[in-house]
Amino acid sequence: EIVLTQSPDTLSLSPGERGTLSCRASQYVASGNLVWYQQKPGQAPRLLVYGASSRATGIPDRFSGSGSGTDFTLTISRLEPEDSAVYYCQQYEDAPLTFGGGTKLEIK
Amino acid sequence: QVQLQESGPGLVKPSETLSLTCSVSGVSTKNHYWNWIRQTPGKRLEWIGYIHESGRSRDNPSLQSRVTMSVDTSKNQISLQLTSVTAADTALYYCARWGETSDPNCRAFDYWGQGTLVAVSS
Repeated sequence: EIVLTQSPDTLSLSPGERGTLSCRASQYVASGNLVWYQQKPGQAPRLLVYGASSRATGIPDRFSGSGSGTDFTLTISRLEPEDSAVYYCQQYEDAPLTFGGGTKLEIK
Repeated sequence: QVQLQESGPGLVKPSETLSLTCSVSGVSTKNHYWNWIRQTPGKRLEWIGYIHESGRSRDNPSLQSRVTMSVDTSKNQISLQLTSVTAADTALYYCARWGETSDPNCRAFDYWGQGTLVAVSS
């Protein structure tokens, strides 16, 4: 099973700052097989980025994904209060599909 | 507008079988892979498995063959059965579609239900 480790656990930043979230895989994951989701309290996860770097429909260009192999990054520039959420990475390189433990982003 | 809605008993006794239904609207349950995913009280997401109308399915080995899934295309519903439940199966259960993206080589969970909370307790 591919284990995804996200860091940091919690990130506390101010509006306008840049947030950098990390997702590290225990084995190789092809870029096309890495996805990011955003989950706000009381809501289901929402597709954010697929293929490691492509934004889903309706996602603002403040969100960008990058990385390859075992190291992936979600960057959120110009943070806004509405970005406060938990962010999860997910891989489907190999079964079982797995998710990272999440990074909680707090906007001060 | 695609919508998924999970339903089922909120409380299941230990050793019994958990049964959930996911009602899908706005898209046919045909020609897609439908998944069950659960979120533990600690907010960890765990993939349970997928089912296709063809009968093709796969589940997470961590659930030790306790999973049965099915698709009823006439009702546009997906169902999940999890046998021999324990307190460790207490979670928020989601159904989600494994969908296509703008890149034909990439897929993702593009539609999710709101989830249904299941507690396992006597």
